[in-house]
Amino acid sequence: AQSVTQLDSHVSVSEGTPVLLRCNYSSSYSPSLFWYVQHPNKGLQLLLKYTSAATLVKGINGFEAEFKKSETSFHLTKPSAHMSDAAEYFCVVSPNAGGTSYGKLTFGQGTILTVHP
Amino acid sequence: GAVVSQHPSRVICKSGTSVKIECRSLDFQATTMFWYRQFPKQSLMLMATSNEGSKATYEQGVEKDKFLINHASLTLSTLTVTSAHPEDSSFYICSARLGQREPLHFGNGTRLTVT
Repeated sequence: AQSVTQLDSHVSVSEGTPVLLRCNYSSSYSPSLFWYVQHPNKGLQLLLKYTSAATLVKGINGFEAEFKKSETSFHLTKPSAHMSDAAEYFCVVSPNAGGTSYGKLTFGQGTILTVHP
Repeated sequence: GAVVSQHPSRVICKSGTSVKIECRSLDFQATTMFWYRQFPKQSLMLMATSNEGSKATYEQGVEKDKFLINHASLTLSTLTVTSAHPEDSSFYICSARLGQREPLHFGNGTRLTVT
């Protein structure tokens, strides 16, 4: 079984300040973890992925996330927020086991990021 | 690479009619595609797994006779919402992946409104 918890439903920051979106997970298997961003009425765009290589993962648009197994966390950060970062962000876990688990992604509840000028 | 195209982006239909949504992998072959539904201000819910050349696998609680899935080729899966009702109004998103450990690539979604 696996689950994902995004600890904040809304995060509000000022432009130019750091962003932290928190995600905790649980998984029976060594998981792959992803962050996706969704703009209104759009599909999801992959920001970054962790698949058991380096624990600090760099993604697009200046985002990065660190996989911490001891804390079962995969928080998303960005040093300096931009207005265009305002969107909804989803933390996603996927089991690395095959069989019926294939493709069974588990989505977090989402965090809406608001960026103020 | 790994582009997934979904069509239409928006559709409005009358109650009782059927609507077909297409999902195409543009630059790769996808033996498996996934259909999700997203309610306002909620996360994505997996509806079904579409398998090329075989029957789709539906998640618990999803009516297979209402949400017909056809995966006729390695690059195309379709979702048909049959006899649509207002409660079927939602945002439907398809996705596909290059490999088991690879991330999903999503289409841009279809906003269905049933009047």
